[in-house]
Order: sequence, then structure tokens, then C-alpha cells
Amino acid sequence: DSGVTQTPKHLITATGQRVTLRCSPRSGDLSVYWYQQSLDQGLQFLIQYYNGEERAKGNILERFSAQQFPDLHSELNLSSLELGDSALYFCASSARDNSPLHFGNGTRLTVT
Amino acid sequence: EDQVTQSPEALRLQEGESSSLNCSYTVSGLRGLFWYRQDPGKGPEFLFTLYSAGEEKEKERLKATLTKKESFLHITAPKPEDSATYLCAVQPPVMNRDDKIIFGKGTRLHILP
Repeated sequence: DSGVTQTPKHLITATGQRVTLRCSPRSGDLSVYWYQQSLDQGLQFLIQYYNGEERAKGNILERFSAQQFPDLHSELNLSSLELGDSALYFCASSARDNSPLHFGNGTRLTVT
Repeated sequence: EDQVTQSPEALRLQEGESSSLNCSYTVSGLRGLFWYRQDPGKGPEFLFTLYSAGEEKEKERLKATLTKKESFLHITAPKPEDSATYLCAVQPPVMNRDDKIIFGKGTRLHILP
């Protein structure tokens, strides 16, 4: 058990809808990362937060947004969903710079 | 653009047949290189961190090594339970507080009993 909790485990929704994915980092970790994993693309970095502030941005679509709250949990909001957004979304946390990431078990999003 | 390339994409070995997985990267000033194991439907599980060329880390049947441009994950006498996807990730220097970690696409390893 990595200590990173993601909810829900599975999400099935229709095109055009909006969903929220939630992540609780390991106790004491200040950094939260979001990744998208699809079969042909591998793990694609979306966004990173450190202690409530956005730190780095990857290939995150404008329809997607995230935030990290004062209690350090994070939410990833996906809107105007398209079929191509179907993927596994992972959250990871780390304690500090140069520390390895510890991943949750992901949320599997299916857009129909 | 910083790149991480893993090879081979897939590897099938007989139980006990040792081999190596490769991770090459184009990042300059690497801050860290990480190896992960991922089982189907699960999140990646951290294995090793390497920080400088010449460094080696070992855990059971796995040994990770690092040079200036690539890393190897050596698997000695593997067992069927070592079957998984192995991911390599690199951490470039911080640019404007940008602290991303870049993953390769992984090597799918299958160990036959």
C-alpha cells in the first residue's frame, strides 16, 4: 500500500459531461502529481501542485483543471468529456525534491 | 525536448533466464532516475532511485545501474511473479520551479514457468 488514496476507482460517464477525481496524498507529502495513462501513450504528466500552489504543467488540456486544498488533498476536474479522454488517471505524491513518486491505484474513466 | 526511451517494448523470458532492460534519456543535468514496476490495473510501485553515473542499487533479483545517458535494470534468474511492466522515469533540472518527472513507455516483461 503506497498510502496514496484515489477515488472513485471506476467512473463511467457520457460525452460532454464533467467529472471530479479525488486524491489524498501520503501523510506528510506536500507535492501532488496527476498523470494520464492510455494504452498507446504511456504515463503522460498533466500537472503538479506543491503545498497548494501549481508548480508544473504538462500536456493538460484546457478542459481539465486541478487544485490542491489546504489539507493537501487534490482534485482533478475534467469537463466537456470526449471519448478520447477515456484512460487511467493516476495521482502520485512525494515528500520533497528528488524524492520518488508514490502512486495511487488510479481512477479508470470510461467515456461513452 | 527531454526524452525517455525504453527498450525492448516487450520481453518474454523463460524462468531463470537473466536479461536486462534499457532506459536511455536525453536530459542534461539529471537530478534523479527512477525505476517502477506496474502490474495490470494498478499504480506504479517504486523500486529504485539513482542519482549519479556509476551508482547501482539492488533488490532481490533486480539490479539497477546508471551511466551518463542510460540506465539498465538487470533481472537475474527471474520468476513468473516478476512479470510486470517496468517503467523508467527521469527528473530533469528545475526550470522556473518546473519540477516534472518524465516517464518512458515501459517494458512489458513476461516470465514463462
